[in-house]
Amino acid sequence: KQEVTQIPAALSVPEGENLVLNCSFTDSAIYNLQWFRQDPGKGLTSLLLIQSSQREQSSGRLNASLDKSSGRSTLYIAASQPGDSATYLCAVPLTTSGTYKYIFGTGTRLKVLA
Amino acid sequence: DAGVIQSPRHEVTEMGQEVTLRCKPISGHNSLFWYRQTMMRGLELLIYFNNNVPIDDSGMPEDRFSAKMPNASFSTLKIQPSEPRDSAVYFCASSPSGTGATPWETQYFGPGTRLLVL
Repeated sequence: KQEVTQIPAALSVPEGENLVLNCSFTDSAIYNLQWFRQDPGKGLTSLLLIQSSQREQSSGRLNASLDKSSGRSTLYIAASQPGDSATYLCAVPLTTSGTYKYIFGTGTRLKVLA
Repeated sequence: DAGVIQSPRHEVTEMGQEVTLRCKPISGHNSLFWYRQTMMRGLELLIYFNNNVPIDDSGMPEDRFSAKMPNASFSTLKIQPSEPRDSAVYFCASSPSGTGATPWETQYFGPGTRLLVL
């Protein structure tokens, strides 16, 4: 059974810091891994999608890495800003009999202080 | 594009009442997903459709929940009768996947419906 864990559950940092969010999954046979951002009272927005054949994916100040063998992914945020404050979730697809569903982690609630 | 549209945004109802949540996916998207998010259980997939056909409803908690997708531009999630433990935020998402078995495509989420059952 695929389980996705995110550590830490909450994080508060001063503006300008570089930070790392962690995501662990128990079944390494994944097609991809996605990082999402959720703002309070809003839906999820996809940030980065890493295919199983990739090791990294970047977008602006965000960089996500994937190590399938160890069942881990990290989301690196450079020079954090107050606007980065949100909950960050990672998700991996679970495939069963030709269908699939995303299994989400419980998220890391990030607060960047001005 | 307006994105995924959900209605209502907030719903307060009394236990035992029927609740209907609505979703309009992004035009041209072939897959539609209903999720439920609670503090205790996080984000859970309830059901997903591909080309209007339910593919996996194993996440639907019980017979009180039902979902339909009568056409490519509309889906409903119905709870009858509702119970206080159904209180949660319900999200609809869509993706352009044409086969339902292409997990490398991202999903686009609606803003959610916040349901409170008293």
